[in-house]
Amino acid sequence: SYVLTQPPSVSVAPGQTARITCGGNNIGSKSVHWHQQKPGQAPVLVVYDDSDRPSGIPERFSGSKSGNTATLTISRVEAGDEADYYCQVWDSSSDHPVFGGGTKLTVL
Amino acid sequence: QVQLQQSGPGLVKPSQTLSLTCAISGDSVSSNSTTWNWIRQSPSRGLEWLGRTCYRSKWYNHYAESVKSRITVNPDTSKNQFSLQLNSVTPEDTAVYYCARWRTLGGSGRFDYWGQGTLVTVSS
Repeated sequence: SYVLTQPPSVSVAPGQTARITCGGNNIGSKSVHWHQQKPGQAPVLVVYDDSDRPSGIPERFSGSKSGNTATLTISRVEAGDEADYYCQVWDSSSDHPVFGGGTKLTVL
Repeated sequence: QVQLQQSGPGLVKPSQTLSLTCAISGDSVSSNSTTWNWIRQSPSRGLEWLGRTCYRSKWYNHYAESVKSRITVNPDTSKNQFSLQLNSVTPEDTAVYYCARWRTLGGSGRFDYWGQGTLVTVSS
């Protein structure tokens, strides 16, 4: 089945920019979605279709894609951004969604 | 505003059936532009999609291969909700279970609403 690879952890100081990557074979042909999950809470969609933001999500959150890698970028990081972030795509071969292993963002 | 409210027991004995319900407000389980999903999360498996139900002139279900022989997802139009049944559970089924809405718009789709999650522990 389709595999999405994320780094286990990313650390960044407040006010700096965090970049979380998501790798997958031929990911350029798929729509990538990003979910934020804080401890004890359900995931929340922060970016969909590679680079679109749901209403209510700050402009500091953006998405991009290049080659076999998608990237979630969080600008001007705040303490409240500390969470686990998961990328997700639809695997057409199995006809179901697939999630990456998650990246823990630590704000130093 | 869509809300998904989960209910069901947090403790299930091995070999028994795990049953959870997801009540929908702000949308219809019979909507033609959504599918209703169950996803679980555990330290060993991460986020794992389990199954879905949707209505497209008739009801369709689709299940993950890993649980296909043990799972049933059913809609309940009278209560506007859907359910998960997972049979013959083992401790490996211990996880936080989520229901989630997949919304399809203009050829694209995404999980835009999640339930609050239910920790289900399989233990005697």
